[in-house]
Amino acid sequence: KAGVTQTPRYLIKTRGQQVTLSCSPISGHRSVSWYQQTPGQGLQFLFEYFSETQRNKGNFPGRFSGRQFSNSRSEMNVSTLELGDSALYLCASSLDRERQNFGPGTRLTVL
Amino acid sequence: AQKITQTQPGMFVQEKEAVTLDCTYDTSDQSYGLFWYKQPSSGEMIFLIYQGSYDEQNATEGRYSLNFQKARKSANLVISASQLGDSAMYFCAMREINFGNEKLTFGTGTRLTIIP
Repeated sequence: KAGVTQTPRYLIKTRGQQVTLSCSPISGHRSVSWYQQTPGQGLQFLFEYFSETQRNKGNFPGRFSGRQFSNSRSEMNVSTLELGDSALYLCASSLDRERQNFGPGTRLTVL
Repeated sequence: AQKITQTQPGMFVQEKEAVTLDCTYDTSDQSYGLFWYKQPSSGEMIFLIYQGSYDEQNATEGRYSLNFQKARKSANLVISASQLGDSAMYFCAMREINFGNEKLTFGTGTRLTIIP
């Protein structure tokens, strides 16, 4: 079975721009979660989608949004990018509540 | 208050020795899950082991075992016979399984370096 895939792997944007990251979960997994990892704040939960509905949300501003499609693929969007949004964005999918399978991440650099 | 505390920012261990990575957690929920993930320099988070709060026996997965002490709210990871490939960041995480809150909360991680 193919693992979680994330595209693109690397991204460079400038302040004020917006960005969309994509995540394809493991086949059959209906839950997709997103995390932001930075050296200063560590790993922080962004949101979780299950069957196209946002089920949980972390403490991030409204500039961060996401959605999930009927095939469980998920996208995350960040509008009006700030320098502090530079991070590794990790997507994870799960079938049960015991394990989240992570993708390789998208490394976003905001200049 | 920190929900997950990893007090060892870095550890150096001789190859083939066993290593214990510390993790304490804080929750008032009765139902929760504890996880350990490994993150090599490539960035991908690799699942290692899971312990449910109602599991009476310590979880084991190959060379990995979880020393679960519920009363002390401790969930230490033990790696037996360490290998050079074990060098990575290790994160302890908790999932509090109450309604509407099933996110993973991570600790700050421990950087493990295996010395040949």
